[in-house]
Formats: sequence, C-alpha cells, structure tokens
Amino acid sequence: DAGVIQSPRHEVTEMGQEVTLRCKPISGHNSLFWYRQTMMRGLELLIYFNNNVPIDDSGMPEDRFSAKMPNASFSTLKIQPSEPRDSAVYFCASSLSPLASEQFFGPGTRLTVL
Amino acid sequence: QKEVEQNSGPLSVPEGAIASLNCTYSDRGSQSFFWYRQYSGKSPELIMSIYSNGDKEDGRFTAQLNKASQYVSLLIRDSQPSDSATYLCAVNMYSGGGADGLTFGKGTHLIIQP
Repeated sequence: DAGVIQSPRHEVTEMGQEVTLRCKPISGHNSLFWYRQTMMRGLELLIYFNNNVPIDDSGMPEDRFSAKMPNASFSTLKIQPSEPRDSAVYFCASSLSPLASEQFFGPGTRLTVL
Repeated sequence: QKEVEQNSGPLSVPEGAIASLNCTYSDRGSQSFFWYRQYSGKSPELIMSIYSNGDKEDGRFTAQLNKASQYVSLLIRDSQPSDSATYLCAVNMYSGGGADGLTFGKGTHLIIQP
C-alpha cells in the first residue's frame, strides 16, 4: 500500500531559479498538507487543502511561494525565485478526510539553494 | 498564536527503563494531540494519537492528556536502542472547515543507552 509520494527527494539549485516540488497523497485521502522543516524553526505548516481547495495559506512565507492541487492525486509547491534561506526539507502529508486529524507524511524533499 | 513546547533534550535513558516525554500547548481550544517519531534524515512517523483526557496505551507506548493543565506526555516502557529518535508533539485545533494543519513542538531528542 503506497504512502505519500514526493518528488524529487533531493534538489540542488541556484539562487533565482524556479523550484517545483511534487506530492501524491495516499489514495482516498482528501486533505493534503505542505510543511517545511529547518533546524531553527522546526516543522511548520505552509498550506493545506481540503478536497483540492486551499483552506489556509497563512504559513506561506512570501509571495514567492505558491501551491496548487489540480486534482485529488497531485499537488505542487513552487518557489520562484528561490533564495538560499529557502533551503530546508519540505514534507507533504495527507489525511483521510477533513474531519480526520491523523496525518501521514511523505519522505520529504531536501532543497538546497546555493 | 498556537504554541507547543517541548524540552529539546537530549534525554538519556538506560535500556529497559521508562522514557517520559512531555509537552505543553498554549491553545485551550486544541482538540487533538499526536506524538510523532522522527529518525535522523527521515520523515515524521505517527505513533500515538489522543483526543480525550486520561491515558491511552498502545503496546509499549502510553499517551497521557490533561486538558485542564494543557499538558500531554508520552511514556515508553522497556525502552530499546531502536527507540532513540526525536519525538515531536503535535496539536490540532478544528476550525469551522474541519481539520487544520498541525502545530508541532521542536521535538525532544531521546537517547536509549544500551
């Protein structure tokens, strides 16, 4: 049974470049969450979707960040332009329904911006 | 502003002993509480969830919740070296739209000494 799938697992890019992170939630899960983890700030919620609709994007740090969920099985997080301070591990998580709180995490994407 | 506080550790416990991990949270409206385990370089893994006051046991793990004191704890009995990891406390508050993203503490680094 496949869990949350994220790609790429590692991304190294140069400052100013566009970065796109991808996530496939667990089949049948209707809520999807994007988190960022750094040593300094820990694990922080960026944005979440219920039934493909963005509900709360107050955690998105700047307009350089955007996220979409065009269908129930795919979401993207885009950073344009990227900056060195965006270097972090980005996790996607999903849960069964809007009323189910147990979230399951993907393996993460380690982003390094030079 | 929701906050979740944990002692960062490291917490060192002899093999076979009970490890006790603690967490406090600031939002009295919080409804759901979770413990995640995270090995170095890996994603958070859900190990316990608790929703009502009292104790909840699952194998060697016991979660304890006291909403009046805004306190949640995790006990690990018969600690094993494989339990060495960072333990993240997470709190969820339902909004009118349903499930919210989780607010995480920064984690307690647990070391089980053989």
